[in-house]
Parts: sequence; structure tokens; C-alpha cells
Amino acid sequence: NAGVMQNPRHLVRRRGQEARLRCSPMKGHSHVYWYRQLPEEGLKFMVYLQKENIIDESGMPKERFSAEFPKEGPSILRIQQVVRGDSAAYFCASSDAGTPGEPQHFGDGTRLSIL
Amino acid sequence: KQEVTQIPAALSVPEGENLVLNCSFTDSAIYNLQWFRQDPGKGLTSLLLIQSSQREQTSGRLNASLDKSSGRSTLYIAASQPGDSATYLCAFSRNTGKLIFGQGTTLQVKP
Repeated sequence: NAGVMQNPRHLVRRRGQEARLRCSPMKGHSHVYWYRQLPEEGLKFMVYLQKENIIDESGMPKERFSAEFPKEGPSILRIQQVVRGDSAAYFCASSDAGTPGEPQHFGDGTRLSIL
Repeated sequence: KQEVTQIPAALSVPEGENLVLNCSFTDSAIYNLQWFRQDPGKGLTSLLLIQSSQREQTSGRLNASLDKSSGRSTLYIAASQPGDSATYLCAFSRNTGKLIFGQGTTLQVKP
């Protein structure tokens, strides 16, 4: 009974390259949340998606960042033209309903390092 | 402005001690509050979830309380063990379900 799967676990990119982070939610879950944990900071909400829809992107930087959750396949967080400040741990969480009372289950994260 | 504050930021105790971690939040219109554990290099493990209508939840040696009127939650750990060493995060959810996190309390339990 697999939990939330994120890959890769570690990703190294040079400045200016693109980073693609993948998240497969728990089986049966159709709601995905992305969070970012910068060094020495707490986790910050980025975006909430339901299948094929972005519900809340209030935490997403205005440029270079995008997210999708297609009908088939994992959710993707995409960062274009990465900069050093993008180095962080990116966590995905899923729930089986979008209601606030439902617990979110987290993956182990992707550690992104920008050279 | 920090919406969720956790005190202390770090705590070191000898094994066997009972301890309390504190979390305060500024938004009284929360839907629920969760306590998580995070081990180094790992994701978050949900420990306890308290719905806004509840006052406390218990699981094993852990007990979490919620006082919405004062904007406070506490996590009580009884008879602490070295395996409890980790960072403990509290977070509340709003109506969209997104979680607002504190910066955590890093706990070290010494044998």
C-alpha cells in the first residue's frame, strides 16, 4: 500500500536549467499539495491541485514556477531557469478529499540543489 | 508576520522526562490543527490531527490539545525516549485545506 511517492529524491541542476519534480499521490487520492522548505525556514504552501485543475496557487512565485496534475500520471512541479535561491526541499502531500478536515499524507520530498 | 509560532525552537532532555511543546497561531478560523514529526532528510509523519470542534487527541504517549479561543495548541510527550528525537511541526489548515506551518521544535532526547 504505497504512500506518496516523490522522485527524484535528490536533483542537482545548474543555474538556468529546468527542474521537474514528480509526485504520485496515494492510491485513490485526487488532491495534491506542494510545499517548499527553504534552508532554516519552515514549510510554505505553494499550490493545491485537483485532477486537471489548479485550485489554489497563492503560494507560487509569479515567474518560472508552474504545476500540473494531469488526468493520467503524476503531478509535476516545474521550475524554469533555476537560480540558487530555488535550492530547497520540495514536498508533496495528498488527500482523498479537498475538505480541510482530511489529513494530508506527505512524501519524503525532493532535495533540489542549484550549482 | 509569523502566523504560527512554536516555542521552544530547540529542546534537549534526558530520557524518561515528560515534556510539552507549544504552538500558537493567529487565525481563530482554523479548520483543524495537525502535529507532525520530521526526521532529518525525511518527509513529514502525521502524529495527531485535532478538528476545530475538538479539544484534544491522544495516541500512545502523545497527547495534543487545542484551544481556539486563545490560539494555542500543545503537544505532550510522556516518558520521552531517544527515538523521539526529531523536529516537531504544528500546522493549521484553512478552508482550502492548505496547511500553515510553524518553524518547528527540534527535540533531542539523550539516553
